[in-house]
Amino acid sequence: NAGVMQNPRHLVRRRGQEARLRCSPMKGHSHVYWYRQLPEEGLKFMVYLQKENIIDESGMPKERFSAEFPKEGPSILRIQQVVRGDSAAYFCASSPLGGWDTEAFFGQGTRLTVV
Amino acid sequence: GENVEQHPSTLSVQEGDSAVIKCTYSDSASNYFPWYKQELGKGPQLIIDIRSNVGEKKDQRIAVTLNKTAKHFSLHITETQPEDSAVYFCAASWESGNTPLVFGKGTRLSVIA
Repeated sequence: NAGVMQNPRHLVRRRGQEARLRCSPMKGHSHVYWYRQLPEEGLKFMVYLQKENIIDESGMPKERFSAEFPKEGPSILRIQQVVRGDSAAYFCASSPLGGWDTEAFFGQGTRLTVV
Repeated sequence: GENVEQHPSTLSVQEGDSAVIKCTYSDSASNYFPWYKQELGKGPQLIIDIRSNVGEKKDQRIAVTLNKTAKHFSLHITETQPEDSAVYFCAASWESGNTPLVFGKGTRLSVIA
């Protein structure tokens, strides 16, 4: 059973471009969480999705950021018109059950660098 | 909202010694406290968790204690080994309040052989 798969592992974008980060949850998991990690910082919650629904997006900036988890295919975190401050590691986690007190399995992350 | 403070930020111990990492939280309603280990270039991995209805939980060389009154919880690693070297994160959440996990800033543990 493959773990949470994120791609790409590394992504370089110029300022103003779009970044698309993909996350395939573990088999049988229908809940996905996205976190952002800045250097020497902990993980900051961004958004929680269930298949075709956004459950909680309280941690995601209102502008330029969007997320989806379609019925088929991976979850996508999209950042439009990237700026240098968007440079960070973005982690996706999945769980078989919803809520905040269930074990969540993390992917290896996508390291976004904006130049 | 919830705020989680973690100390120390770095910790060096000799192989075989014990390591203790401490976290405090602000929201007394928090009831779930996981600990994650993150190795270089990898995603965080859950190593142990505790819920507010227990005060201590142990899994081989790892144990976690929770003091609800003082609002702090700690990770204890005994008989440390070089492979324990990593960044450790504590987190807290409140299921009933539907609040996401809030993470501490991490502790970089180095086990010196």
